[in-house]
This record gives sequence, C-alpha cells and structure tokens, in this order.
Amino acid sequence: GESVGLHLPTLSVQEGDNSIINCAYSNSASDYFIWYKQESGKGPQFIIDIRSNMDKRQGQRVTVLLNKTVKHLSLQIAATQPGDSAVYFCAENIVPGGSYIPTFGRGTSLIVHP
Amino acid sequence: KAGVTQTPRYLIKTRGQQVTLSCSPISGHRSVSWYQQTPGQGLQFLFEYFSETQRNKGNFPGRFSGRQFSNSRSEMNVSTLELGDSALYLCASSSTPGHYNSPLHFGNGTRLTVT
Repeated sequence: GESVGLHLPTLSVQEGDNSIINCAYSNSASDYFIWYKQESGKGPQFIIDIRSNMDKRQGQRVTVLLNKTVKHLSLQIAATQPGDSAVYFCAENIVPGGSYIPTFGRGTSLIVHP
Repeated sequence: KAGVTQTPRYLIKTRGQQVTLSCSPISGHRSVSWYQQTPGQGLQFLFEYFSETQRNKGNFPGRFSGRQFSNSRSEMNVSTLELGDSALYLCASSSTPGHYNSPLHFGNGTRLTVT
C-alpha cells in the first residue's frame, strides 16, 4: 500500500484480477479524497472522489472505500486490464475553504501482466 | 471541451538560465495550480492562482514565481536555474476550488532538464 512520505510501492497483478491500492492519509480533518491515475508521459488523471460523509463510492470498474476511523483509503479496480497499468495517487483535502491545496500521496505503481 | 494545455512539452536549459512555462486551463476554469513532480519528492505544490491573484504558495524559493492573466492562462518562471530544478512541472485547473466535486484537472506537463 501507499502512505504519504514513503517510497513508491509496486503492485503486480494478472489481467482479469481485481486490484486493491491502499492509501493512509494523515490529516483527520480531511474531508474530501480523490484518486488520480498517471500514465507514463502524461499528467495525473482524475478517477474518482469521495466525501468524508460516505464510506463507499462506485464508478465504472472502480470503487473507493474510506475508513475514517483508521484514516485509510482504498481504490479497488475490477477486472484489471493492461491499460490500467499506471501510477495511482490518492489526495486529501479539507473542504470547504478558500484554498484548494490537496495533499498528494507518493503513489503506487500498478503493473498488469497480460 | 479541450483539456489543460501546457507548453512546451520539453525544455533543456543550463544552470543559471531562466525559463518560462505556460499553461492554458480548461475553458471556464478560473483556478490554476502548479506542481513540481520528481521521483524523490513526488508531487509538490508550487502555487495557486485564482482570478489573477496568487492565493496560496508552497514551500519553494523565490526563484519560482508565477502569474495569471485575465483569460485565466498562467505562466510560471524559474530564474537562476539549478540542477535540482530538473523535474516535470504540472499545471492543473479546477472550476470551483474549495468545493466538493471540483477535482484538479492536470495537463501533461513540461519536462525541464537543467544541465
């Protein structure tokens, strides 16, 4: 899994498997969380977000789970495909506020083997 | 709708020179943020502009500066370049910063190499 400040971990999975990427956030006051995907040579791309008043949110093939008690966030990718290979970042933010400066984790590298 | 556009994609400069990077946000987005990405430090926040005003600044030296124009386009400048400034510089825009459901939308970055 991933935690802010640690070296980039790697998760290797087989095509078709489900992937779970973890993130430990640091600020108990954070109330908005976002997952980004960064492919080689590109900028981070928004995947899914969740507010702190929710513990689960689903998108297309992705699910984000939030456990505020232990300050843990996870991204689940169903039926992982080679195109999912990328670095995944979680970001935390405090909303509302006048500023918007999300704090990014270091990222997890997902490698999908065909 | 066009995404965030950053120019140039690649730059090679020598120590001591200065550089200007450009960013065009998504149409209608008024907030532009800049990040530096390196393998060792990850994504680090540089500054954020909203309606031509710098609202927030990260922990970078004064050699790093930026500005935003009335059309929301933004530039960042790095003066007296150092080898450690070599990085991917990312620009991101958002529609309503400080609100839920308003994530950052990133460009593909400018790869700066300082020799």
